[in-house]
Amino acid sequence: GENVEQHPSTLSVQEGDSAVIKCTYSDSASNYFPWYKQELGKRPQLIIDIRSNVGEKKDQRIAVTLNKTAKHFSLHITETQPEDSAVYFCAANTDKLIFGTGTRLQVFP
Amino acid sequence: DAGVIQSPRHEVTEMGQEVTLRCKPISGHNSLFWYRQTMMRGLELLIYFNNNVPIDDSGMPEDRFSAKMPNASFSTLKIQPSEPRDSAVYFCASSSQGGGYNEQFFGPGTRLTVL
Repeated sequence: GENVEQHPSTLSVQEGDSAVIKCTYSDSASNYFPWYKQELGKRPQLIIDIRSNVGEKKDQRIAVTLNKTAKHFSLHITETQPEDSAVYFCAANTDKLIFGTGTRLQVFP
Repeated sequence: DAGVIQSPRHEVTEMGQEVTLRCKPISGHNSLFWYRQTMMRGLELLIYFNNNVPIDDSGMPEDRFSAKMPNASFSTLKIQPSEPRDSAVYFCASSSQGGGYNEQFFGPGTRLTVL
């Protein structure tokens, strides 16, 4: 079955710097790759997603890139702000979503 | 739309007691998912339904766990008997399309503590 690995598990950056989180997946049939943000004590919420017919997608300060050949995709956050501090989960689909183990991002003022 | 609704938000119970968690998906969504989140195991899919039919329950940890979806607007996750290791946050999520092809909208979660 599908296996999703996510790195790093924790990431600390200074406000204004960029943050990159990487995920790999195993099932070449996967075609949907969402990213969820979970703030402390809150529910996971979708922040951006990409489908396999697209290599890159951007929404303001966040972007996701997908390399289907290498089976990896990444989340890029530019000009980080303290409110970006949260746990971020990647996921890949089969007939269901398989989530990565999460990355705890801390942005220091 | 009120989003996915879960109740109760917090549940504290004693080992051996029955626990029932409830979920109301977003109206019009035909897929419903139950997840469990712990620090050790992360976000685990327990079971999901399409059109009220259980499709994949391979994540249900053992026979003490059961889930039902009697109609399109209501689902329950039951643990009987509960054990301390069941302590976790349980999320319900719904989606407008089956499986993993569309955004899943999560409810606020139920924080379960089993003493």
